[in-house]
Amino acid sequence: AQSVTQLGSHVSVSEGALVLLRCNYSSSVPPYLFWYVQYPNQGLQLLLKYTSAATLVKGINGFEAEFKKSETSFHLTKPSAHMSDAAEYFCAVSRMDSSYKLIFGSGTRLLVRP
Amino acid sequence: GAVVSQHPSWVICKSGTSVKIECRSLDFQATTMFWYRQFPKQSLMLMATSNEGSKATYEQGVEKDKFLINHASLTLSTLTVTSAHPEDSSFYICSAKADTGPYEQYFGPGTRLTVT
Repeated sequence: AQSVTQLGSHVSVSEGALVLLRCNYSSSVPPYLFWYVQYPNQGLQLLLKYTSAATLVKGINGFEAEFKKSETSFHLTKPSAHMSDAAEYFCAVSRMDSSYKLIFGSGTRLLVRP
Repeated sequence: GAVVSQHPSWVICKSGTSVKIECRSLDFQATTMFWYRQFPKQSLMLMATSNEGSKATYEQGVEKDKFLINHASLTLSTLTVTSAHPEDSSFYICSAKADTGPYEQYFGPGTRLTVT
C-alpha cells in the first residue's frame, strides 16, 4: 500500500525566508510524486511532479522538490517566500499503473509573516 | 489548457433532497475522472473513480447508492448526492486525467455543499 506523510500541519516563515515543506512516502513500487497547492475554497493546482526522470524537479512559482529514494522523501522548497505563497500544500503519491489514483498527505498550511 | 470546471460552485439543499454536481473537462477528453471529498482543514479523500461508459469504482466505505456517479461522455462526469443529510455537507472536488499526455490529474474548483 502507498501512503504519504507530511510533517507539520502548519509552517510559518517570514517573507523572504526559505520555505521547506516535508513529505515522506511509502510505496512498494516506483512512485509518481506530486505537490499541489490549494487556496481557500478552491481546487488544487499542480506545483510540480516527479515521474522517474530527473530527481530534482522544478515547478511553478519558484518551487522545487528533490526525490530522494534512500530517504523516501520528496520535500518542497522555495528559496524566498512571498506573501502570495500562503496556502495549503498537499503532497501526493500515485502508482505507476493504470489506476492513476492519488493518495494525498494530510496537508501543510504555510503561513507567511510580513 | 487543461481546465476543469464544476457546477455549481456552491449549493444549499434541504435534508432529504438530492443534488447533482457536474464536472467538465473543457479543453481535453478525459476517460477517467475522480471525485474527492474534503472536510474543513482536512485532506482530500478519494470517493470514486469514474470511467466513461462504465460503472464507477468506489473506494471502501463510500456508499455507492448514496453517491451516484455517471460518466456519460468524455468530458462530463456527474455526482449525485441522494437523500442528502447534514453530514453530507462538505467540499466536493473532481479531477480529470487527460487521455493523452502525462499522468497528472487536473482539478476542478470544487463545490461547497451545505445540507440544512
